Amino acid sequence: DQQVKQNSPSLSVQEGRISILNCDYTNSMFDYFLWYKKYPAEGPTFLISISSIKDKNEDGRFTVFLNKSAKHLSLHIVPSQPGDSAVYFCAAREVGSARQLTFGSGTQLTVLP
Amino acid sequence: SQTIHQWPATLVQPVGSPLSLECTVEGTSNPNLYWYRQAAGRGLQLLFYSVGIGQISSEVPQNLSASRPQDRQFILSSKKLLLSDSGFYLCAWSVLGMNTEAFFGQGTRLTVV
Repeated sequence: DQQVKQNSPSLSVQEGRISILNCDYTNSMFDYFLWYKKYPAEGPTFLISISSIKDKNEDGRFTVFLNKSAKHLSLHIVPSQPGDSAVYFCAAREVGSARQLTFGSGTQLTVLP
Repeated sequence: SQTIHQWPATLVQPVGSPLSLECTVEGTSNPNLYWYRQAAGRGLQLLFYSVGIGQISSEVPQNLSASRPQDRQFILSSKKLLLSDSGFYLCAWSVLGMNTEAFFGQGTRLTVV
């Protein structure tokens, strides 16, 4: 049972345009959400996060939106750059002491020059 | 600053051979530690997590085991590898009890032949 879902395995966007990556979750106990970026043969690197008490968090070109009622979050990248091409993972944390992350299956973003 | 070291970067092992992957964290105390696996074309699956020395929780039944002999050392092992154990293994750490991101190592590409 996938608790975090990224239904789009791939996304192509023209350089300079907006990239929107989507993520849905089913577990109501998730209270913290994160986006990671991953290049092949490397570990994921943290991009941006949002607590469940907020609905938006912005960091430079990256903005994460959280819709708790819909159990949906999205990552907006604007403007998109070729260096943004990577696999993006959505992750969520459940209330608890271990704070382990549950990941989605990832979306391969390709930014075309 | 905190750093995480994971080795080896790549490993080719025959079926039935043992496995030992090591991960160490520097610059922090009492971290949460995690082992994840990324199978080909799939997301990140949590295998084990630890909130303290000697405390290991397993997320999925499998051919692998984990140990935490020291505060900042996390080891992934197997007595006899299976072909299905092939994948990209990632160690990660996070601050205990805090609403922060997890930091990942560079990963180990394991191929069982």
